[in-house]
Amino acid sequence: EDQVTQSPEALRLQEGESSSLNCSYTVSGLRGLFWYRQDPGKGPEFLFTLYSAGEEKEKERLKATLTKKESFLHITAPKPEDSATYLCAVHTGNQFYFGTGTSLTVIP
Amino acid sequence: NAGVTQTPKFQVLKTGQSMTLQCAQDMNHEYMSWYRQDPGMGLRLIHYSVGAGITDQGEVPNGYNVSRSTTEDFPLRLLSAAPSQTSVYFCASSYSSGRARTDTQYFGPGTRLTVL
Repeated sequence: EDQVTQSPEALRLQEGESSSLNCSYTVSGLRGLFWYRQDPGKGPEFLFTLYSAGEEKEKERLKATLTKKESFLHITAPKPEDSATYLCAVHTGNQFYFGTGTSLTVIP
Repeated sequence: NAGVTQTPKFQVLKTGQSMTLQCAQDMNHEYMSWYRQDPGMGLRLIHYSVGAGITDQGEVPNGYNVSRSTTEDFPLRLLSAAPSQTSVYFCASSYSSGRARTDTQYFGPGTRLTVL
């Protein structure tokens, strides 16, 4: 069964304290892995797409990496405005499967 | 471009009532989908469409109907609402799901539905 697991469920960081969020997956025929940011009361906002093991993408303080079994979202020197829920999703066949997200709080 | 738009933003229904959630996109995307988001469950796929006239079921299709008569619109129908359908509903679209590197989905702002 296709499955996506994100950890930790919640993460509190001091401003400037770098960390990583994990997304592990078991799917047959991965077509792509996606990271989204979701603010309360809003729709998910696209961050990155990764297609093959070894691929990396960066945007400001965020960097996403992909292996054959998992993806990491690295957050370097986070700021309070990075506080949000980060969602991971995988594309297999014609369907997309989402993890339950990591709720990130960055404390000033 | 307006992107993906959804109406209404909020809706309260009584058990047994029917309604249609509207979704439209102006990006000429082939693939459109509906998700529901519940606490602790993440986003779950309800129905999807790979093009006008073509729809298929996702992970949680029971109690919902869809149709796709145009590329732009993908309405979601609740035929007889139940309290278990209380949720936040998101519509999403992507250029395609079959061609390489064209499958990034973009989401609408959501519809918050409460069924009493």
